[in-house]
Amino acid sequence: SYVLTQPPSVSVAPGQTARITCGGNNIGSKSVHWYQQKPGQAPVLVVYDDSDRPSGIPERFSGSNSGNTATLTISRVEAGDEADYYCQVWDSSSDYWVFGGGTKLTVL
Amino acid sequence: QVQLVESGGGLVKPGGSLRLSCAASGFSFNDYYMSWIRQAPGKGLEWVSYITSSGSSIYYADSVKGRFTISRDDAKNSLYLQMNSLRAEDTAVYYCARRGKGQSFDYWGQGTLVTVSS
Repeated sequence: SYVLTQPPSVSVAPGQTARITCGGNNIGSKSVHWYQQKPGQAPVLVVYDDSDRPSGIPERFSGSNSGNTATLTISRVEAGDEADYYCQVWDSSSDYWVFGGGTKLTVL
Repeated sequence: QVQLVESGGGLVKPGGSLRLSCAASGFSFNDYYMSWIRQAPGKGLEWVSYITSSGSSIYYADSVKGRFTISRDDAKNSLYLQMNSLRAEDTAVYYCARRGKGQSFDYWGQGTLVTVSS
């Protein structure tokens, strides 16, 4: 089955840029979606179809996808961005919805 | 506004059964594909099952295939997950989620906790 690999943790100072990667075999050929989950809360979609933002999501959140790596970029990081972030794709060959293992973003 | 509210979780013994419900409001439920996604304590997200708007196509993760059954009642704006032969490893918060653009999940419920323990 298709596997998505994320770093367990990323740390960044306030005001800096955080980049969270999601690796998968030829992931550039798939649409990647990103979710933010704060403790005790349900996940929230922050980027869909590689780089689109749902309404209400700040422009500071952006995404890219090419080759074997997709990236969620959070610009001008704020304390409130501290959360777990998950990437997700649909594997059409198996009709499986796959999540990465998650990355804990720490704002120093 | 879109709302998804899960219910039916609780403590059940290994081998037991449980039926989860998800009440939807604020959108045309019958137009949307829906899914169940779970999260074991301290772990990541795991997709469980998916049903198309008509209910004509249904998919399951290998970990629950043959034990769990997803269904929907559009007249009641509700999604269900019948869970049989429960195992300790099924312990998790279960979320219902609406399929959004692409194959994303754009709205999630608050989740319901299922604990399988003797």
